[in-house]
Amino acid sequence: QVKLQQSGAELVKPGASVKLSCKTSGYTFSTSYMSWFKQIPGQSIEWIGMIYAGDGGTGYNQKFKGKATLTVDTSSSTAYMDLSSLTTEDSAVYFCARSIIRGIPFDYWGQGVMVTVSS
Amino acid sequence: DVVLTQTPVSLLISLGGQASISCRSSQSLVHSNGNTYLHWYLQKPGQSPQLLIYQVSNRFSGIPDRFSGSGSGTDFTLKISRVEPEDLGVYYCLQRTHNPPWTFGGGTKLELK
Repeated sequence: QVKLQQSGAELVKPGASVKLSCKTSGYTFSTSYMSWFKQIPGQSIEWIGMIYAGDGGTGYNQKFKGKATLTVDTSSSTAYMDLSSLTTEDSAVYFCARSIIRGIPFDYWGQGVMVTVSS
Repeated sequence: DVVLTQTPVSLLISLGGQASISCRSSQSLVHSNGNTYLHWYLQKPGQSPQLLIYQVSNRFSGIPDRFSGSGSGTDFTLKISRVEPEDLGVYYCLQRTHNPPWTFGGGTKLELK
């Protein structure tokens, strides 16, 4: 079955960077898209950006350009998101979710990872 | 960016009752190809969102027929009949019609009366 397994919770200092992973199984990773989302607890969900695993092509929410960088490793069917120059405003839960075709959006999600930025 | 406004913000429903959630868009969500990419999700406490309805009215795999979606243009509705305990959580609408960023509504929290 389809699974998206995210890495564990992170506690990072302001100004630092963090790399989150989303390891997939149960489907053909190289012909899929992976999106990443931010959710501050108690608030709605923001779409950060998307990457096509076949060629690494990306699209970003303008709000997160320069903050997030998406990459993939097709040999391990894993997607990554680098978050840079972290501030307390980046403290949130981050999710990955796949999509295959436009008509059916983000159908499988990772469990989410809490990133806490604190000195 | 397209703004999705959900009402109500919270909903108190008795078990077995019916809930109705509205999602209004700041722009028509009809794509140039004629499709409408408005979708609904449920996020249960402590979990990731799960897809309920895609393209306005299509139930995703495994979603019971107690869930139904309708609407067109800028106004959309999710109805949940015969509410069960596992239906509790926050419901979100999502649009993928217009160029990114794809946007979610603010959420509607369904609670038991």
